[in-house]
Amino acid sequence: DAKTTQPNSMESNEEEPVHLPCNHSTISGTDYIHWYRQLPSQGPEYVIHGLTSNVNNRMASLAIAEDRKSSTLILHRATLRDAAVYYCILLVRYDKIIFGKGTRLHILP
Amino acid sequence: DADVTQTPRNRITKTGKRIMLECSQTKGHDRMYWYRQDPGLGLRLIYYSFDVKDINKGEISDGYSVSRQAQAKFSLSLESAIPNQTALYFCATSDVYGYTFGSGTRLTVV
Repeated sequence: DAKTTQPNSMESNEEEPVHLPCNHSTISGTDYIHWYRQLPSQGPEYVIHGLTSNVNNRMASLAIAEDRKSSTLILHRATLRDAAVYYCILLVRYDKIIFGKGTRLHILP
Repeated sequence: DADVTQTPRNRITKTGKRIMLECSQTKGHDRMYWYRQDPGLGLRLIYYSFDVKDINKGEISDGYSVSRQAQAKFSLSLESAIPNQTALYFCATSDVYGYTFGSGTRLTVV
């Protein structure tokens, strides 16, 4: 399985943008880049995914490097409720998720 | 109702007992999964099923078994529970757009 590398933890101030990086230098052409997050005491929830182009939805934006070897999840205006562990995952369609350790995001009030 | 429902939410059981964790979904997805999470660690895949007749072992299937009773139901059994199976267990379903997880079952084996 292609692997991802994320920082163990990050901090951000409330109401400021947050950029969560992910490196995936061994990504293959069929791998989709998915982001999930896990809030305290909850199951993971889907955030966003993309293949080659940048993607936006109501939760976040996903910026994908031109060579696809890295990506960045952007939370435009962090709130305290965005404090969670964020997982960057490479998935071939219909494949199973193998989780890494993710990035623990702390939001400072 | 939640898309993916896990029962029970919490359970304490004794070493050596057989226990079943249940999962049902209303998403209409064929694919279902069981993960466990230990404190401070990520999620590890126990078993997965791509349709009713398909069952596959994941990263850590020893000591566990599963049953896919219907498209909507996927249960996880611990045949003889041991303390190091104390963990948070998550069920999930998926389609081409992504995964949906349940709220988890917190299992304690004493």
